[in-house]
Amino acid sequence: AQTVTQSQPEMSVQEAETVTLSCTYDTSENNYYLFWYKQPPSRQMILVIRQEAYKQQNATENRFSVNFQKAAKSFSLKISDSQLGDTAMYFCAFMNRDDKIIFGKGTRLHILP
Amino acid sequence: KAGVTQTPRYLIKTRGQQVTLSCSPISGHRSVSWYQQTPGQGLQFLFEYFSETQRNKGNFPGRFSGRQFSNSRSEMNVSTLELGDSALYLCASSSFGAGGLANYGYTFGSGTRLTVV
Repeated sequence: AQTVTQSQPEMSVQEAETVTLSCTYDTSENNYYLFWYKQPPSRQMILVIRQEAYKQQNATENRFSVNFQKAAKSFSLKISDSQLGDTAMYFCAFMNRDDKIIFGKGTRLHILP
Repeated sequence: KAGVTQTPRYLIKTRGQQVTLSCSPISGHRSVSWYQQTPGQGLQFLFEYFSETQRNKGNFPGRFSGRQFSNSRSEMNVSTLELGDSALYLCASSSFGAGGLANYGYTFGSGTRLTVV
C-alpha cells in the first residue's frame, strides 16, 4: 500500500525567509502524481503544486518549487520569500491511476512577522 | 466559475442519528471524491464517484455511503452516527477521473464540520 510521510509536524520561519517542507512516500508503481496542498484556517484545501512522476524536471509555481527525487521517493516543497499568508497546514499527497489521493499527516507552517 | 460547494458548513447530530452531506462540484467536473479529516487520523479517503458510479472505496464501515446524481452533484450519508464520526468532511471534484493518469488534481470544497454529541 502507498504511504506518505511528513516528518515535520510543525515549523516556524521568519517572513521573507526560505523554508523547505519534507515528504517521502512509498510505492511500487512507476507512474503517479505528487501534490502539495495548503489548508489555511478557512479549511479549504488549495492545490499548491503538482509533479508528474514521469517528468524529471522539478515543478515550479512562482515562489513554490519542489525537489523531486524519484529514486529516493522524496518530494520536498520549497517556499521562497515566505509571506504571512503562507501560514497554513501543508499536506503532501500521492495519487496513482486509481485517482485516490493519499495524504501525509501534514506540516503546520507558521510565518512569523 | 463557482468552486466546489458543500452544504451545510456545520452540523451537530446526536449519536444514533443519520446525516446527509451534499457536494456540488465545479461545473463540468464528473469525478467527485469524499475525504474525512480528523486530528488523529488525518485525511482519509472515503469514496469516489464518476458518472454516477462508485469507482473507489476506502476502508470505512458500511454506515458510510454515497451517491452521485446525473448532474454530478454528490451526497454522502452516515447512518447510526458514533462519536468518532465527528470530523471535517471534504469533497473534491475533478474534470478527469476516467481511471487513468490524466487527472491533474482535485479541487476541494471548504468542508462540512460534523459534530456528533
